[in-house]
Amino acid sequence: DAEITQSPRHKITETGRQVTLACHQTWNHNNMFWYRQDLGHGLRLIHYSYGVQDTNKGEVSDGYSVSRSNTEDLPLTLESAASSQTSVYFCASGTPGTGELFFGEGSRLTVL
Amino acid sequence: QKEVEQNSGPLSVPEGAIASLNCTYSDRVSQSFFWYRQYSGKSPELIMSIYSNGDKEDGRFTAQLNKASQYVSLLIRDSQPSDSATYLCAALNYGGSQGNLIFGKGTKLSVKP
Repeated sequence: DAEITQSPRHKITETGRQVTLACHQTWNHNNMFWYRQDLGHGLRLIHYSYGVQDTNKGEVSDGYSVSRSNTEDLPLTLESAASSQTSVYFCASGTPGTGELFFGEGSRLTVL
Repeated sequence: QKEVEQNSGPLSVPEGAIASLNCTYSDRVSQSFFWYRQYSGKSPELIMSIYSNGDKEDGRFTAQLNKASQYVSLLIRDSQPSDSATYLCAALNYGGSQGNLIFGKGTKLSVKP
């Protein structure tokens, strides 16, 4: 069965360190998205990609970057982690026009 | 005003009752709307979509769209304890060639046995 997986599921890091969250999907979707979810803010879009070599900034992109070298993967990098980036991160792929986004299980990141 | 607004709740209803979840939106989003359900500690999953004015029914769920009032709602009939979850309203944003989804903050629903 096709799926979307995130790793690591849980990570604790220190302020200033670089962190990369992996996202891998076997749906063969061109469209991939990264969201963060925080109490009081809901899901907010960080970055997204419509295909290989395509990346776009979302609502809360400062301090984050992505790259898309193949269809299956969209890693999210925090260049210098800050405490404000403590959150649950969700990767998704699918077709926004029909609302059919398939979400990974989430990566809980704690920045101390 | 944020593009998609929801009352965060919690909304508590007795088992068997109708749960009514509401969402308002700004002019800056499209006219395509979606309801996602998210169980505690899990990822969101799509349960309903609605594109035109009026009602759309799927089993115990009914989505309603009122474009004049910029209002979207989700009704859950015969609510069950298994319906206890956070419900996220989402709208299609036309930023980019394929668009992306903008989510409300979600409404937490608790169905009491």
